[in-house]
Amino acid sequence: AQRVTQPEKLLSVFKGAPVELKCNYSYSGSPELFWYVQYSRQRLQLLLRHISRESIKGFTADLNKGETSFHLKKPFAQEEDSAMYYCALGRYSNTGKLIFGQGTTLQVKP
Amino acid sequence: GAGVSQTPSNKVTEKGKYVELRCDPISGHTALYWYRQSLGQGPEFLIYFQGTGAADDSGLPNDRFFAVRPEGSVSTLKIQRTERGDSAVYLCASSSGANTGELFFGEGSRLTVL
Repeated sequence: AQRVTQPEKLLSVFKGAPVELKCNYSYSGSPELFWYVQYSRQRLQLLLRHISRESIKGFTADLNKGETSFHLKKPFAQEEDSAMYYCALGRYSNTGKLIFGQGTTLQVKP
Repeated sequence: GAGVSQTPSNKVTEKGKYVELRCDPISGHTALYWYRQSLGQGPEFLIYFQGTGAADDSGLPNDRFFAVRPEGSVSTLKIQRTERGDSAVYLCASSSGANTGELFFGEGSRLTVL
């Protein structure tokens, strides 16, 4: 079965501390992995995708097929990073049909 | 408009009533998706349109749910005989194609069934 697991509902860190939001997936084919973010009172939006291998707002995520993980990392958290983060799994043939994790709320304290 | 527009933003109805939720995607986007988000959960896929046709409706929970996109632009999600368990935020998203990987979401329609 295809599944995305985000084990932490809430992650609270101090400004300047490193952040790692965990995501594990279950998928038998070739996965496409994404991180979506929802800031307070804003709509859900794409943060980054594994295929781009880019850093967005200081965040990076590496697909580890051996561990079936796609953890989101940032070396120094900022207060404006506080938001709800969703990991999502798509198929190559239709990357818009996504399976989302339950989400992790990141709270960055001053 | 600049983004995906959904109406109404809030809908309160009584059990057994019929509800329509509308989505106006970004102009030129051929792919349109409906998702449902229950409290404390991530969005769950309902249905996907490529143009006018429903290319994948495997996420619709039962035959009370139906969606149309007659002209390949605006879409309407229709729910018959609503139940309390249908209460959720219904999200619409569009993209320029099925394989772009980036969905542009609307703000959602919050449905409450009393």
